Amino acid sequence: AQSVTQLDSHVSVSEGTPVLLRCNYSSSYSPSLFWYVQHPNKGLQLLLKYTSAATLVKGINGFEAEFKKSETSFHLTKPSAHMSDAAEYFCVVSDPVWTGTASKLTFGTGTRLQVTL
Amino acid sequence: DAGVIQSPRHEVTEMGQEVTLRCKPISGHNSLFWYRQTMMRGLELLIYFNNNVPIDDSGMPEDRFSAKMPNASFSTLKIQPSEPRDSAVYFCASSLGLRGANVLTFGAGSRLTVL
Repeated sequence: AQSVTQLDSHVSVSEGTPVLLRCNYSSSYSPSLFWYVQHPNKGLQLLLKYTSAATLVKGINGFEAEFKKSETSFHLTKPSAHMSDAAEYFCVVSDPVWTGTASKLTFGTGTRLQVTL
Repeated sequence: DAGVIQSPRHEVTEMGQEVTLRCKPISGHNSLFWYRQTMMRGLELLIYFNNNVPIDDSGMPEDRFSAKMPNASFSTLKIQPSEPRDSAVYFCASSLGLRGANVLTFGAGSRLTVL
């Protein structure tokens, strides 16, 4: 069974400082991993995805994540936070393509990012 | 493209009433997903369709819930009868293809409150 654990339910940073949102995964295979963002009263939007290509994945709005198999981690980072980054972030895992069940996404519990002046 | 369109955005109803949530996926997408989001349980996949056919409904909580996709541009999620514990935000999402590392496009959600 696939699962993801988001290690922090809430992270607060000052504007202009780095962001680190932590995610560990558990999978029987080498999974596909995603980060989605949800702004208040909005649907979820894809930030980036890892699908067994380059281990460092760049996404939208300056975010990136690194897949580390040895640590079973997929942490999300951004060098400098902006006020507009305040939102809920979800780490997501799915089975790899060859299993035929790649559509079943498993969401983490989310990390709420607060950005202060 | 207008994205995934859900209606209603907000619904308040009384226990025992029937609730119907609607979704129009992105044109050309052939997979559609219904998720439920609550504070207690996070995001849960209820059911998903491929080419209008239900593939996996193991996440549907009980027989009070049903979902249909009569054509490629429309899906409904029905709760009958509704209960207060059904209060949640229900998201519809669509994607192109069933295999592969799918990128799901989510609608804005339907917030349901059952009194």
